[in-house]
Amino acid sequence: GENVEQHPSTLSVQEGDSAVIKCTYSDSASNYFPWYKQELGKRPQLIIDIRSNVGEKKDQRIAVTLNKTAKHFSLHITETQPEDSAVYFCAAPDHSGGYNKLIFGAGTRLAVHP
Amino acid sequence: DGGITQSPKYLFRKEGQNVTLSCEQNLNHDAMYWYRQDPGQGLRLIYYSQIVNDFQKGDIAEGYSVSREKKESFPLTVTSAQKNPTAFYLCASSTRDRRTEAFFGQGTRLTVV
Repeated sequence: GENVEQHPSTLSVQEGDSAVIKCTYSDSASNYFPWYKQELGKRPQLIIDIRSNVGEKKDQRIAVTLNKTAKHFSLHITETQPEDSAVYFCAAPDHSGGYNKLIFGAGTRLAVHP
Repeated sequence: DGGITQSPKYLFRKEGQNVTLSCEQNLNHDAMYWYRQDPGQGLRLIYYSQIVNDFQKGDIAEGYSVSREKKESFPLTVTSAQKNPTAFYLCASSTRDRRTEAFFGQGTRLTVV
């Protein structure tokens, strides 16, 4: 089955700096890589995703890059703001046993300091 | 208003008790999932279901049970066999397409007292 590793586990940046979170996956057949943001006490919500037919996708201050050869994908947040403070999860699909399910990384706690 | 709803938001369980967490969705999604979240840890898969009357164990199914009698509903029972049930439980749903968003409920925080 799929295995997803996420780094770093915590990240502290100054407001306005950039933040980068990286995930690696094990199944070369995986073709969809979402990123979720979870604010304190709330549900995770999708912020951006990428499919394996592209190498990069941007949405305003956030971007995701994918390196299929190396089997890793990264979340980039530019011009960070205090409201970006949250836990971020990457995920990849697991198709083992003929069933589809999302396997999540352990999460990165991002703190943006004013 | 479409979405996925979990209840209750907070739940207290006595030692040796079984408790059931509710998850309902009106998104017409075939697939539903239960995840457990512990402090500083990621989302670990407990059970998932791709279709009514069928479900599969995830990575940490021991001490839990589920049912999927209706497409809209996927309740999770935390049994007395689960030795460390205190955690935040999240239900999610999605289409069966392998490349679509999963929508999460607001979670249930279970505490053993």
